[in-house]
Amino acid sequence: DAKTTQPPSMDCAEGRAANLPCNHSTISGNEYVYWYRQIHSQGPQYIIHGLKNNETNEMASLIITEDRKSSTLILPHATLRDTAVYYCIVRSANAGGTSYGKLTFGQGTILTVHP
Amino acid sequence: NAGVTQTPEFQVLKTGQSMTLQCAQDMNHEYMSWYRQDPGMGLRLIHYSVGAGITDQGEVPNGYNVSRSTTEDFPLRLLSAAPSQTSVYFCASSSSAGLYGYTFGSGTRLTVV
Repeated sequence: DAKTTQPPSMDCAEGRAANLPCNHSTISGNEYVYWYRQIHSQGPQYIIHGLKNNETNEMASLIITEDRKSSTLILPHATLRDTAVYYCIVRSANAGGTSYGKLTFGQGTILTVHP
Repeated sequence: NAGVTQTPEFQVLKTGQSMTLQCAQDMNHEYMSWYRQDPGMGLRLIHYSVGAGITDQGEVPNGYNVSRSTTEDFPLRLLSAAPSQTSVYFCASSSSAGLYGYTFGSGTRLTVV
C-alpha cells in the first residue's frame, strides 16, 4: 500500500488560502487519495477524495498532480475553526486490494490558523 | 439522524478488568471499524466488519474481540485490560467500503490503571 508524507505542521492567516501538501510517490493506479481532518481530539471528519482529476466540494479543493505522486488540499478561505490535524490517506479502490475499506492514518499535518 | 454513537464517553478500568465499548450507527452502513489513538499519534485500526456476521483483524487486534450480530451495532470487548490499552477509541461506519468517506463517532476515552 502507498505511504504518504506530510509536513508535521503549517501556519496560515485567517482568510487566506491554506495549501496542505502530501507526497504519495508509490501510489498505484487503483488507489484513491483521501483527506480527513481531526479537530481537537474529536473523531476524524471526511473532507474530500480523488483518483486522478481535481476535485472540489463545499469544504475544500483537491489538486492531484498528473503523475499522481503528490497532491494538495486547498482550504480557500481558512478560518480559526479550520485549525486541526489534516490526514492524507491513500487506499485501494478495488475489493481485492489490502487497503480496501480501511484507512491507514499517519501523523498528519497540524494546521494552525492565526487571526 | 444520530450518526455514529459511542458509549461510554469516559471510562477508567483497573488492570485485568474486562469491558465492552459500544458503537451504534443508524445509517444502515455495512462497513464498521474500530480505531485507537494514542497521544500524539494517528489512528490505528483494531478490527473491522464488512457486514453483519463478518469481522476481521486490523493492525493492532491483540487484546480485543469484536462481533457483528446486527448491521447497527459493533461492540469492542477488552478481555483483560492492560495499561497499554489506555487510549482514545473511535468507531467509524461507511457505505460502499468507505468510498465516500467514513463517519466517525466522538470517541471513548479509556484509562487503565
